[in-house]
Amino acid sequence: EVQLVESGGGLVQPGRSLRLSCAASGFTFDDYAMHWVRQAPGKGLEWVSGISWNSGSIGYADSVKGRFTISRDNAKNSLYLQMNSLRAEDTALYYCARGKRYSYGGDFDYWGQGTLVTVSS
Amino acid sequence: DIQMTQSPSSLSASVGDRVTITCQASQDISNYLNWYQQKPGKAPKLLIYDASNLETGVPSRFSGSGSGTDFTFTISSLQPEDIATYYCQQYDNLWLTFGGGTKVEIK
Repeated sequence: EVQLVESGGGLVQPGRSLRLSCAASGFTFDDYAMHWVRQAPGKGLEWVSGISWNSGSIGYADSVKGRFTISRDNAKNSLYLQMNSLRAEDTALYYCARGKRYSYGGDFDYWGQGTLVTVSS
Repeated sequence: DIQMTQSPSSLSASVGDRVTITCQASQDISNYLNWYQQKPGKAPKLLIYDASNLETGVPSRFSGSGSGTDFTFTISSLQPEDIATYYCQQYDNLWLTFGGGTKVEIK
């Protein structure tokens, strides 16, 4: 059974940093692209960042470019999102989602339950 | 970045009605378009991939069509369990984007 479990969320002050993790199981992690998608309270879905199966392709939404860094450790079946210079508008539920096999984009066929990030003083 | 304009933002329909949602891309995205359903408090669920392909296990009353810039998502006969918000999503390049969502309610 495919499982994606996010962790690392919490309350953080503006300007500080946070690192999210996503632990994957039930599939061959290093075959698949992985993505972060967020949802601010009461708002729609926003794609944040994605990384291909071999880390050869990486993309970021304009809203986080230069502040967030996505990475993966295929040996640990884990995806990460390093978030620096956090702003109030980064407050959201952050989902980890599985992308296409041997590619970058595509559909997100499995999602975690999300980890909540709240940026507030 | 490619912008996705989804409409309507909300709709109310009766059980058994045919429901249609549209999504327009700001440039040609071929068939690189997916549709998701999200119920309150839950993670999104993939329904349609590559514009018109039904994800395994998804009821056949859901369908998608279109290519290029204009796409349509249809529920052929609305059921009470279909109450949710629906999103389109494009993946034409390194910068993926979602539409704004359509909240579907029962009249």
